[in-house]
Amino acid sequence: DAKTTQPPSMDCAEGRAANLPCNHSTISGNEYVYWYRQIHSQGPQYIIHGLKNNETNEMASLIITEDRKSSTLILPHATLRDTAVYYCIVSRYNYGQNFVFGPGTRLSVLP
Amino acid sequence: EAGVVQSPRYKIIEKKQPVAFWCNPISGHNTLYWYLQNLGQGPELLIRYENEEAVDDSQLPKDRFSAERLKGVDSTLKIQPAELGDSAVYLCASSSTGNTEAFFGQGTRLTVV
Repeated sequence: DAKTTQPPSMDCAEGRAANLPCNHSTISGNEYVYWYRQIHSQGPQYIIHGLKNNETNEMASLIITEDRKSSTLILPHATLRDTAVYYCIVSRYNYGQNFVFGPGTRLSVLP
Repeated sequence: EAGVVQSPRYKIIEKKQPVAFWCNPISGHNTLYWYLQNLGQGPELLIRYENEEAVDDSQLPKDRFSAERLKGVDSTLKIQPAELGDSAVYLCASSSTGNTEAFFGQGTRLTVV
């Protein structure tokens, strides 16, 4: 599975959009982009995933560039409860087996 | 619906002692994973089960770690003997075939002294 690169940390003001970038320049055509987050002292939580098209659900939006070499997770109105480590993962499986988690991005939502 | 349940939440043991962790996956989930998470790092897969069969245990240190999933439901992960470097959080997750989402438990924080 392709590797990903994320900034180690980001800050965001409460109520503003949080845009978390991820680079996956070696992604293959059959690999999906997944996002998980981990709030302190809890296990990781699935957020969203996509292959080529942009995706949106009740938690977030996922924007994947046309060349699929990078993506952005968007939390439209960040709250203090969104403070967590966010993991961008690339996997060829459609149902998320054998994820390789990197260190992720530590997002701090500030009041 | 209950989530993935792990016990204990915390465990402190002396080095060279054995330790076991228990996981009860979400009802109906045939796939079960054990992950190891060191401080400040992302989780690393130790073993994956499809029902009662271990289909990927390539990252499991088999000299001291063992796991089982009898009857394809609950699972236990054992370390014998524990070493100082085994101090970490051990996470269990489950998913159902064809489902894109893996659900994680809260983990067991192991401290070896």
